[in-house]
Amino acid sequence: QSALTQPPSASGSPGQSVTISCTGTSSDIGGYNYVSWYQQHPGEAPKLIIYDVTNRPSGVPDRFSGSKSGNTASLTVSGLQTEDEADYYCTSYAGNNNVIFGGGTKVTVL
Amino acid sequence: EVQLLQSGGALVQPGGSLRLSCVASQFPFNTYGMSWVRQAPGKGLEWVSVITPGGGTKFYADSVKGRFTISRDNSKNTLYLEMSSLRAEDTAVYYCAKPTAPRWPVRGAFDFWGQGNLVTVSS
Repeated sequence: QSALTQPPSASGSPGQSVTISCTGTSSDIGGYNYVSWYQQHPGEAPKLIIYDVTNRPSGVPDRFSGSKSGNTASLTVSGLQTEDEADYYCTSYAGNNNVIFGGGTKVTVL
Repeated sequence: EVQLLQSGGALVQPGGSLRLSCVASQFPFNTYGMSWVRQAPGKGLEWVSVITPGGGTKFYADSVKGRFTISRDNSKNTLYLEMSSLRAEDTAVYYCAKPTAPRWPVRGAFDFWGQGNLVTVSS
């Protein structure tokens, strides 16, 4: 199973919005509403910020939102803050008890 | 607060073996399928393996199939990953991960992670 495709980098100024795409196939993203997004700061474990395409775990700011269209999922971070500078990973259920991750996107707050 | 406390990371020679442990607390461990996820240095995340709540069914990524074995001891609230025939490309930080809900199959939404164990395969 190939990894999901994410842009390697994205950036925005404080207060702006940034959107990260995550492209898969009809066998993963397109076939299930089980896309999750993780934020990872250097040296730390990943933190779940979106699950089941659009749901936010308790404690995650509503500046983070997720969506999906066809085989592509997206994460939007609105009102960028300096602490949002991190790596972001998407993941999707791919059937047959397989989970695949994207390659990651480094978000820089300018 | 849910906790996943890992142990077992080490430097191992190619072809060697190692066992990782992950002790869970503050949630009904025996009702959750549990997973291992790894991250090679400077690289992205890779799902490794998952085990059903009762431990009777296990699934693996193709990259580790036949070499790694996931298991659990629900009486000890502990998840294991037995790794053998280790290769340089297995060098990574290994995380145990708990899904958001006790549903099967595990769908990639992990709300709690262990602190990670570095496994280095090198001669």
